[in-house]
Amino acid sequence: AQKITQTQPGMFVQEKEAVTLDCTYDTSDPSYGLFWYKQPSSGEMIFLIYQGSYDQQNATEGRYSLNFQKARKSANLVISASQLGDSAMYFCAMRGLSGGGADGLTFGKGTHLIIQP
Amino acid sequence: NAGVTQTPKFQVLKTGQSMTLQCAQDMNHEYMSWYRQDPGMGLRLIHYSVGAGITDQGEVPNGYNVSRSTTEDFPLRLLSAAPSQTSVYFCASRGTGGQIIGYTFGSGTRLTVV
Repeated sequence: AQKITQTQPGMFVQEKEAVTLDCTYDTSDPSYGLFWYKQPSSGEMIFLIYQGSYDQQNATEGRYSLNFQKARKSANLVISASQLGDSAMYFCAMRGLSGGGADGLTFGKGTHLIIQP
Repeated sequence: NAGVTQTPKFQVLKTGQSMTLQCAQDMNHEYMSWYRQDPGMGLRLIHYSVGAGITDQGEVPNGYNVSRSTTEDFPLRLLSAAPSQTSVYFCASRGTGGQIIGYTFGSGTRLTVV
């Protein structure tokens, strides 16, 4: 079984500041992938960034980076230089990569991020 | 390239009615899955498919059926709708290969059961 915990239901951040969204996980899979998705008020799910459990370096995608600490089972999303358009729900998710025929993502409950001007 | 297409976008059902939520992808993805999103709950996996003819249950499968007769389509059937199935439903797909990429999601179906 897999579990994702996001402990910040909501966050207010000033524009241009960096923001860290917390995510901790639990899994029995020796190999797994961690994902972050953005859901703006329009409702679509937008893929942001991916980290594999055996990746040596933390993933980065533009202003997004993933602070992966395997021993602590954490995969925090860092957004640098926040913009008003970053206001949205953010979901952390994971999937086991060990095979066995299973698929699909396990999601956390999300963090509602509001960027203030 | 349309990606993942879900129809309808909105639906109101009466308790006990049945209906099918449609999901189609044009990316030749092997893996497809259905999720429901309820306030404060995040997304939860209903059913998934690892290829045509192969489906399996996710976290919350009760009250839903799926089938996968083609690579492109993965419909979700509500057999006898209940108010507890009021939710936003998302379909997603992913490909395979050397580089793991994020799942592509459809735009969702907002279902209300009265």
